Amino acid sequence: AQTVTQSQPEMSVQEAETVTLSCTYDTSESDYYLFWYKQPPSRQMILVIRQEAYKQQNATENRFSVNFQKAAKSFSLKISDSQLGDAAMYFCAYRSAYNNNDMRFGAGTRLTVKP
Amino acid sequence: DTAVSQTPKYLVTQMGNDKSIKCEQNLGHDTMYWYKQDSKKFLKIMFSYNNKELIINETVPNRFSPKSPDKAHLNLHINSLELGDSAVYFCASSQDRSGGKTQYFGPGTRLLVL
Repeated sequence: AQTVTQSQPEMSVQEAETVTLSCTYDTSESDYYLFWYKQPPSRQMILVIRQEAYKQQNATENRFSVNFQKAAKSFSLKISDSQLGDAAMYFCAYRSAYNNNDMRFGAGTRLTVKP
Repeated sequence: DTAVSQTPKYLVTQMGNDKSIKCEQNLGHDTMYWYKQDSKKFLKIMFSYNNKELIINETVPNRFSPKSPDKAHLNLHINSLELGDSAVYFCASSQDRSGGKTQYFGPGTRLLVL
């Protein structure tokens, strides 16, 4: 079974600084998809960024980028120029390309942004 | 316009009651899901529906039953509620079943069983 591990329950960053959230996963599959979701206090789950495992290039969405290391099964999220609105729970998620009805989430990392 | 909506937003009820949570998506998606987020924030998939067919059913109690009157709706019915059912329930949808399709989540329904 695929598992997703987020080893940092909590992280904090100074406004305008950069922070990296860690995520590792365990799988024997070669094709899959990885996601980062943000959950602010409103509880809404919002997609931040996604990565296809077959793509070597790291995904980027404005201030958000990932460091995808397929061999190491690592998928970290980097937030640049942190803003107060970035404060939220961040969830890493894995979805198989073979058993595509299953999606697994990590336990989450709570990010605090200090003004 | 809300893409995925859920009602109610909050639900407080007594043990043993039967309750339903409604979900609607206006994205034209073929696949819808229900997730449960427990008190430790752990998010786990419960069901998904594709074109009115149940295609995944995690090991949830049979007290939980999804019902889809059409592909835009996936309602969650819960019978004989228990204390352990207290959680936040999220509905989500995606264009189709393929793994690369992004899932769009509703705002969540916080269920508290007393």
